[in-house]
Formats: sequence, structure tokens, C-alpha cells
Amino acid sequence: EVQLVESGGGLVQPGRSLKLSCAASGFTFSNYYMAWVRQAPKKGLEWVATISTSGSRTYYPDSVKGRFTISRDNAKSSLYLQMNSLKSEDTATYYCARQDVGGFAYWGQGTLVTVSS
Amino acid sequence: DIVMTQGALPNPVPSGESASITCQSSKSLLHSNGKTYLNWYLQRPGQSPQLLIYWMSTRASGVSDRFSGSGSGTDFTLKISSVEAEDVGVYYCQQFLEYPRTFGGGTKLELK
Repeated sequence: EVQLVESGGGLVQPGRSLKLSCAASGFTFSNYYMAWVRQAPKKGLEWVATISTSGSRTYYPDSVKGRFTISRDNAKSSLYLQMNSLKSEDTATYYCARQDVGGFAYWGQGTLVTVSS
Repeated sequence: DIVMTQGALPNPVPSGESASITCQSSKSLLHSNGKTYLNWYLQRPGQSPQLLIYWMSTRASGVSDRFSGSGSGTDFTLKISSVEAEDVGVYYCQQFLEYPRTFGGGTKLELK
């Protein structure tokens, strides 16, 4: 059974940093692109980052480019999101997702990040 | 960026009736390989999103055949036949043709 378990969320002050983790199991992690998707409270879904199988290619929307860094450790079946220079508008639940050829086929339960002073 | 625009549903939908959700993209999602890169997701209350349909009309594993996707290069429809209580939630369309991956704003389905 595919499982994605996020961790690392919490309350952080504006301008500070936070690193999220996602532990994957139930599939060969190194064979799949992985992604982060976020959802602000009571709002819709926003794709945040994608990383290729080896980690050599990464993709971001303009809203987080230069501030967020996605990475992975295939030996540990783990995905990460380093978030720097956090803003109040980054407050959201962050989901880890497996990116299959047809879409985000599996999602974690999410971890809440609150950016506030 | 490709903009995804979703239509609203005339809520609430009577149980057992069908419901259709529309989605429009600002650019054709038809790839040269013949596939149309349009996905549909359902987010039930309090849950993570779930992939329902990919490549515009292919049901994801385990998804009920009451869900069907159709459309052209820029106009898409998700049809839910015989709506049930478990179908309640917010439906999102998403384009998977290019980066940045973009979602529609969501369409809420409520049951009568």
C-alpha cells in the first residue's frame, strides 16, 4: 500500500525558515517524480514544486521560486521542502504527492504550516 | 501560465440525479501524442484530494464508473451519474500539460 506521511509543519514567524519532510513507502520511491501541493485555509489547491526521479530537475511556480527548494533522498525514500523567507501567504496545508504520468495519483494527509508573528 | 476556470453546480443536487462539472483551459491541453492532459480530483470534507480522472477521460484505479470525463482541447466536463453521499466535496480540474501545473478554483457538490 502506497503511503506518504508528511511532517515538519508548525508555527513560524515571517521571514524565517522551515523544512518539511515526506516519508514514502509501499512503492519504489526512486522510480517516481514527486511533488508538493499546498492549500491555504478554505482555499483551493496550488502546486508548489516537483522533482525528477534523480533530483536533477526541479520545477517551481513563480510564487515560491527562489524561496523554496525541493529535494529528495532516494536511499531513505524521503522527500523534502526547504522553505525560506516565509510569508503570511505561505500559510497552508502542504501535501506530498506522487506524480505519475497521468497526475498526482497519491497524496499524503498533509502538514499545516502557519506563518505568523 | 495556463488558467483553469471551473463552473458552478446548481446545488444541492438531488441524490440519484446526475451532475456535470465544467472546466475550461486558456490553452489547448491536447499533446502531440494524442493525449489531452486534463485531470480531475475530488477532495471530500476533511480529506486529502483524490485523483479521479486523468488524460481527460481515463479513470484512476479504483474509481467508480459513475465518473466519466469528456471534452475537447480547451473545454472539459466531469459527469457524475446517480450522485451519492460519498460524492460530496470539492472537485478540481488540473492541467498536466506543462509547468506550472495549475488547478481550477474548485466546484463544490452538495447533496439534497
